[in-house]
Amino acid sequence: TQLLEQSPQFLSIQEGENLTVYCNSSSVFSSLQWYRQEPGEGPVLLVTVVTGGEVKKLKRLTFQFGDARKDSSLHITAAQPGDTGLYLCAGAAGGTSYGKLTFGQGTILTVHP
Amino acid sequence: EPEVTQTPSHQVTQMGQEVILRCVPISNHLYFYWYRQILGQKVEFLVSFYNNEISEKSEIFDDQFSVERPDGSNFTLKIRSTKLEDSAMYFCASYYTSYTEAFFGQGTRLTVV
Repeated sequence: TQLLEQSPQFLSIQEGENLTVYCNSSSVFSSLQWYRQEPGEGPVLLVTVVTGGEVKKLKRLTFQFGDARKDSSLHITAAQPGDTGLYLCAGAAGGTSYGKLTFGQGTILTVHP
Repeated sequence: EPEVTQTPSHQVTQMGQEVILRCVPISNHLYFYWYRQILGQKVEFLVSFYNNEISEKSEIFDDQFSVERPDGSNFTLKIRSTKLEDSAMYFCASYYTSYTEAFFGQGTRLTVV
């Protein structure tokens, strides 16, 4: 069974601060996705990283996939109140498990004005 | 923009009753999934479906659960005899191929009383 540990579970910061969320596993994933989920809604994909060592940027968000494809991080620069929400990482098993996703437990981010 | 649609958004049912959760995946997608999220817990994989048959199922997906794609557009999850512990958000997701991103529906909140 693949597990994905996401940390921290809660993050409360002031506007303008930087933050990093981590996802770690002992398993190798074929790809790793980062989602944002609003209350009462489904996860919305932010980015997919596929190659070990890959770095992707989405405005102030930087996503990195570990060289061994077992871990990933999400870094937000100069956080804004609009970044407040639940962030989820999810690893894809690949192979015969196709796109089956293993989710982390999520990080609830609160950015105070 | 194409989206995955789930109905109903909220279903309240008595313990022991059967429920059917409905999903309309994106029209050209080929891979279909159900996930669930018990309040305060991780999003968990239930089942994957491809080429009109189950590809993989988790240990949660016991004989009380079934899925089908009756008419080429809808994708349903049936719970035959609901239990209190089935109360959760249920998310449908679809993929075009196994290597592209997953699109999630907005979820159905199932409450078993």
